[in-house]
Amino acid sequence: SQQGEEDPQALSIQEGENATMNCSYKTSINNLQWYRQNSGRGLVHLILIRSNEREKHSGRLRVTLDTSKKSSSLLITASRAADTASYFCATPNFEYGNKLVFGAGTILRVKS
Amino acid sequence: NAGVTQTPKFQVLKTGQSMTLQCAQDMNHEYMSWYRQDPGMGLRLIHYSVGAGITDQGEVPNGYNVSRSTTEDFPLRLLSAAPSQTSVYFCASSLMAGGYQPQHFGDGTRLSIL
Repeated sequence: SQQGEEDPQALSIQEGENATMNCSYKTSINNLQWYRQNSGRGLVHLILIRSNEREKHSGRLRVTLDTSKKSSSLLITASRAADTASYFCATPNFEYGNKLVFGAGTILRVKS
Repeated sequence: NAGVTQTPKFQVLKTGQSMTLQCAQDMNHEYMSWYRQDPGMGLRLIHYSVGAGITDQGEVPNGYNVSRSTTEDFPLRLLSAAPSQTSVYFCASSLMAGGYQPQHFGDGTRLSIL
């Protein structure tokens, strides 16, 4: 079963605009991770936020975590065509010994 | 430093055939895992290993076997291929148990079962 679910399923924006993706999860977590997947490639780790953190930045990426709402958001500022990819959130699942469980992803298209 | 290497990149099989998907990592990571990715379903965990000689089942293990004789290699075997196993398969590794560490992914094996 999926632990995290991303919203929206697909997002199309113009280059230079900001993109926001949301993730909801079901059970208590100790961290949440975001990954990017370019077409035909494997997933690349973007950022990890721990349960005691509320916000984390990495370059043009900003991730927030609200454990009371069991939700997280990924903001990409000043988007570029190269940001076109699928984005996944992932959380540990205690059923499988704290292995990562991924949501279905958000497909982001940045038009130039 | 190659990271996680998966072979082959593409494969077409007939129903009932068997094959092994290869995965190797050169980062001395203890934890390795196999996922399958299907449209609209995200990634689902097939099998994982927390170290050489230790493997366990994920959420969709049926029809697949794994072994971990060395730290570097974690092959996935399809015993008798079925059309439902048509998917993209990803191998991943991390320094320790995957829930606490970023995972490194290979570029996948695209498998079609006819």
